[in-house]
Amino acid sequence: DSGVTQTPKHLITATGQRVTLRCSPRSGDLSVYWYQQSLDQGLQFLIQYYNGEERAKGNILERFSAQQFPDLHSELNLSSLELGDSALYFCASSVGSSRTYEQYFGPGTRLTVT
Amino acid sequence: AQRVTQPEKLLSVFKGAPVELKCNYSYSGSPELFWYVQYSRQRLQLLLRHISRESIKGFTADLNKGETSFHLKKPFAQEEDSAMYYCALRGSQGNLIFGKGTKLSVKP
Repeated sequence: DSGVTQTPKHLITATGQRVTLRCSPRSGDLSVYWYQQSLDQGLQFLIQYYNGEERAKGNILERFSAQQFPDLHSELNLSSLELGDSALYFCASSVGSSRTYEQYFGPGTRLTVT
Repeated sequence: AQRVTQPEKLLSVFKGAPVELKCNYSYSGSPELFWYVQYSRQRLQLLLRHISRESIKGFTADLNKGETSFHLKKPFAQEEDSAMYYCALRGSQGNLIFGKGTKLSVKP
């Protein structure tokens, strides 16, 4: 599959814990975006990386962090988890970082915090 | 403020009926707008972008800057059109700003 992949598909964990979500962009894409989809907030942009560097930040909590590695995959780290962090986390990738490039979405990781 | 509003959470129509999914936006400058679709258990897919002015699966959308709208239309709905539809605006940072989505249900 040459599309955007995300692992794991589902994650169930307890409050206070820390998890890592992984995203592999499409082949050739240098830019990775993270979005959170929750029932009350809808789809919200968290953070963008381009070729290993942070490019833009959205509504990302201080308890959350991300990075993009030399092989261009990205990880989103969520710590001190709260019940309200339960959501679907999407990753998207695009060729470049400018406004003109289409973003392709992964299947998402469903996080449940109990 | 950069914002997208989709006023309808759910839209239910019969097969063959016309469909219009509403989207209004708030953006200072020249907006770039999209419609994304999410079929059951599938990932978000780009349906339309206003700059390409193309018709996909019979859907069209026209940007109306005067009314700050980008409504999605299809003259004859099909059952396979049942899905979640998200209107999105390209933000100043390049990220997408999404509306809350409209669930379209096409009944036989």
